Amino acid sequence: DTGVSQDPRHKITKRGQNVTFRCDPISEHNRLYWYRQTLGQGPEFLTYFQNEAQLEKSRLLSDRFSAERPKGSFSTLEIQRTEQGDSAMYLCASSFLGPGGFFGPGTRLTVL
Amino acid sequence: AQSVTQLDSQVPVFEEAPVELRCNYSSSVSVYLFWYVQYPNQGLQLLLKYLSGSTLVKGINGFEAEFNKSQTSFHLRKPSVHISDTAEYFCAVTPEGNTGNQFYFGTGTSLTVIP
Repeated sequence: DTGVSQDPRHKITKRGQNVTFRCDPISEHNRLYWYRQTLGQGPEFLTYFQNEAQLEKSRLLSDRFSAERPKGSFSTLEIQRTEQGDSAMYLCASSFLGPGGFFGPGTRLTVL
Repeated sequence: AQSVTQLDSQVPVFEEAPVELRCNYSSSVSVYLFWYVQYPNQGLQLLLKYLSGSTLVKGINGFEAEFNKSQTSFHLRKPSVHISDTAEYFCAVTPEGNTGNQFYFGTGTSLTVIP
């Protein structure tokens, strides 16, 4: 197992388009997190799954954002009607039981 | 609510010199504490964490941190830095006993090691 993977690594889109990112956690990790990181800032929590259940969502996660983890394995994060303010690095992390997640390399989104 | 303050946004240091990156937190409950490192265009890598027990925690790459509850601090130290330590460092907390929910990150400290 090589760790948390994310796809794509980079995404450039035009304002108003929809985008979807994928995260594959470390095998058997039951917890999965999505974070957003803008330039010069620390990661900000977006949402958290335990297995397939989405247990917590940040206020940052507007109605245009939706995340799923249908089988408790990989997860997708979709942004509808993208805005320039959505430009950021989207990070996924996974963990098993205790705190302290393993992070993926991130997907860098640029909205033109 | 929890918050994390990293007092120095940029820290330049000469190679083989010691370094301390400062982190203070605010929380109404007990917390677990973490330091992560981020190299350019990469995700975050866990350096070390404090959950309980000894307040001096040793991590990877020769880093260590000391938890000071009275001062609500968790400063990161390394006695002798290398060029390869140049990166962004993030301090983070999560409420103790938390079932695994969100981390609260500081804004990061950019460490630059000068040859």
